[in-house]
Amino acid sequence: QVQLQESGPGLVKPSQTLSLTCTVSGGSISSGGYYWGWIRQHPGKGLEWLGYIFHSGSTYYNPSLKSRVSMSVDTSKNQFSLKLNSVTAADTAVYYCARKGLIGWFDPWGQGTLVTVSS
Amino acid sequence: EIVLTQSPGTLSLSPGERATLSCRASQSVSSSYLAWYQQKPGQAPRLLIYGASSRATGIPDRFSGSGSGTDFTLTISRLDPEDFAVYYCQQYGSSPYTFGQGTKLEIK
Repeated sequence: QVQLQESGPGLVKPSQTLSLTCTVSGGSISSGGYYWGWIRQHPGKGLEWLGYIFHSGSTYYNPSLKSRVSMSVDTSKNQFSLKLNSVTAADTAVYYCARKGLIGWFDPWGQGTLVTVSS
Repeated sequence: EIVLTQSPGTLSLSPGERATLSCRASQSVSSSYLAWYQQKPGQAPRLLIYGASSRATGIPDRFSGSGSGTDFTLTISRLDPEDFAVYYCQQYGSSPYTFGQGTKLEIK
């Protein structure tokens, strides 16, 4: 079964760029039929969809973050990545990667990684 | 943007009881593109229901979803101790995809 695992720095300084990678195992990103997405959860709060990417590189971002977010895919490594620039304390959250069907629900999810923005 | 409002915020019930969770959308969710997730402390959300009423693989049949348009319901017919968690609804009918704020199901 497909499993996802986030990785990246747990601490990022304000104004810098948050960079995370999601490694997919048990299935190929290139097989098609799915998008690969990012969702975040502020501490003790609800969930916020950030965007998703297709294996071809086509991307769809949440308009609220569109100017700061970018996603990419590396099919040779079976990974996809998230970059969020100009971060502030408000970007402190648990970041999840997840597989998204062509229609739209997210399943499965990675375990999540906490990223703290602080100097 | 479609705003999803979940109620109640917290639901206190005992094992064996029936739970009814509500998710109301600020505008109609096209094609009943609504999902429900369960999240336990320290864990990622787990998909329970998609398409408003279809159970995800491996989800017990005590979980059921219903509704259309702007009003959706997740029902747990007989609560098992492992069901006490936070539940979120999500719409994927229009961008941006949005989630409700969650309902915490706690043991009474």
